[in-house]
Amino acid sequence: QKEVEQDPGPLSVPEGAIVSLNCTYSNSAFQYFMWYRQYSRKGPELLMYTYSSGNKEDGRFTAQVDKSSKYISLFIRDSQPSDSATYLCAMSVSGGSNYKLTFGKGTLLTVNP
Amino acid sequence: GAVVSQHPSRVICKSGTSVKIECRSLDFQATTMFWYRQFPKQSLMLMATSNEGSKATYEQGVEKDKFLINHASLTLSTLTVTSAHPEDSSFYICSARKLTDTQYFGPGTRLTVL
Repeated sequence: QKEVEQDPGPLSVPEGAIVSLNCTYSNSAFQYFMWYRQYSRKGPELLMYTYSSGNKEDGRFTAQVDKSSKYISLFIRDSQPSDSATYLCAMSVSGGSNYKLTFGKGTLLTVNP
Repeated sequence: GAVVSQHPSRVICKSGTSVKIECRSLDFQATTMFWYRQFPKQSLMLMATSNEGSKATYEQGVEKDKFLINHASLTLSTLTVTSAHPEDSSFYICSARKLTDTQYFGPGTRLTVL
């Protein structure tokens, strides 16, 4: 079993839809959780960064962490064609200076106008 | 913001040659830099972690003599792929980290070895 599981999709939705992206993980030591957006042939861009269980909202994006279920989600409200990209979840055990990220495979999202 | 640049963005080389990729943090000092490799439709795989002024820490299965990392300053790290072979063709991405913050990624370098 991989440490981080993420459905690669592809996921296709109409403009304006609510998008739900998810990752599960097996290592209960993970404490820090991130979502990155990666456009084709570009480096990942940090979207959300959370530490504790619960919800964190930033504009149209909401990150949700459930440590008891080892499950994290990213919700995108009022999705736009510009949101079309690959979304990567990432997590880390330590927040110290040498912490390492473990990534999911990424979910390819297409928002159709 | 936190901007990380990479150079070159794309490189094509012959088998057996060496290629150097630069990673710079433009508007902050990075205590730690990371190098990743990403194959098509795959996620990022960490290759090594480097701190300024010290030797890089390589992940299991990554040959340190083949992938040379130099972290000469708080704003610059270089990855040199020595004696490159076609199987080294990949998308190489660096990231940089501030003291108590998460990682910010560069735009990536696409390496093609003929």
